[in-house]
Formats: sequence, C-alpha cells, structure tokens
Amino acid sequence: DAMVIQNPRYQVTQFGKPVTLSCSQTLNHNVMYWYQQKSSQAPKLLFHYYDKDFNNEADTPDNFQSRRPNTSFCFLDIRSPGLGDAAMYLCATSREGTGMRFEQFFGPGTRLTVL
Amino acid sequence: QKEVEQNSGPLSVPEGAIASLNCTYSDRVSQSFFWYRQYSGKSPELIMSIYSNGDKEDGRFTAQLNKASQYVSLLIRDSQPSDSATYLCAVNNGNNRLAFGKGNQVVVIP
Repeated sequence: DAMVIQNPRYQVTQFGKPVTLSCSQTLNHNVMYWYQQKSSQAPKLLFHYYDKDFNNEADTPDNFQSRRPNTSFCFLDIRSPGLGDAAMYLCATSREGTGMRFEQFFGPGTRLTVL
Repeated sequence: QKEVEQNSGPLSVPEGAIASLNCTYSDRVSQSFFWYRQYSGKSPELIMSIYSNGDKEDGRFTAQLNKASQYVSLLIRDSQPSDSATYLCAVNNGNNRLAFGKGNQVVVIP
C-alpha cells in the first residue's frame, strides 16, 4: 500500500544533542511537510518542500533544518534540542498542481523526548 | 481572529447518538476544507474533504459547508466508542498550507 513512513517512531535524545528524523513516501507526492505537534495543540507547520523548493515558516526556529535529497525522502534535523522541542513530529505529503485539492496525508509521527 | 476556530469543549455523546462539530474560518478565499480524526498519541487521519457548499456524506460521516457564513461542520451518526478521538478542522487558503483548528475532543459513552 502507498504510504508515508516515519523513522524512528520514538526518539530519545539528550539536551543539546543533534537528532535527525526521517520521512519517506511511496505516494509519489510532490509536496512534503514537517509539523510539530505538542499535547492538546494543533499541528504547527515548520516547513514544506514544493518539489525541490524549500519553504520555511517565518516563526520556525533556526534550530530546525530540513533536507529533501529526492522526491521520496525528507529529513528533519534538530541541531541542539531543548526541553521545549519535546513533541510529536509529523511528516505529511500532498499532490499539488492545477486542479489538485490539497489533501494532506500524514505519517505515523515520531515522538521526541528530550532529557 | 484566528484563521480556524473550533470553540466547543469536549463533547460527550451516548453510543448511537449524533455528534455535531462546528468550525469557522476567517479567510473568505478558502477553497478546500478537511476534517481529520486523531486518536490519542497517533497522527491525524483524513476522514472528510469538502470543496463546495452543501452536504457531503461518507458512511456515518457528513460534512457540511457554508461559504457565505464561513463555517464547516461534521456530523457523526450512530456514534460508536471507536469514534472517541479529537477531530481537527483544516482549511486550505489557496496555497500549499493548511490552517488547523485546535480540535474538538469527542467521547462516546457506551
């Protein structure tokens, strides 16, 4: 089945220790998104790639970076995680273009714990 | 004013009853509207998409859109315990982004 896959599902890191989260998709969608979601809050968009074009949200901290080496994969790098970065990180994809309907499909998420 | 508002607190409904959720949005140019279901500790799952005024039915779910009044609603008929979750309203404003409401928790009581 076509799907969005995230690894790892659970990540524990130490304060200040860099961490990388990965996302892959078999949907052949051209847009990939990274969201941060904290308990009882709406998902917060960090950035997205429209094909290879990177789009950073204005309020995304510099501590967060992303890479999309090819259509199928996208990575989220947190350079120096703080306690406030503990959250669920969600990858989503959509197929955008003329006449498309902007439906986004989410992966299972990575739960990040910062000690 | 927030882009997407879901103001109701937790909603408790008896099993078999209808659960009704409402969402308002601020941007009149919005064209695409979505409802996501999110179980505790899981990721959002798309359950309904609606693009034109009126009702759209899919199984026990009905989405209703009124662009003039800028609201979209979700009805869950014959509510089941498995429907207990948080329901997120999301709106696309013509770019590649979704604006999410903060969600409504639904609890179905057996």
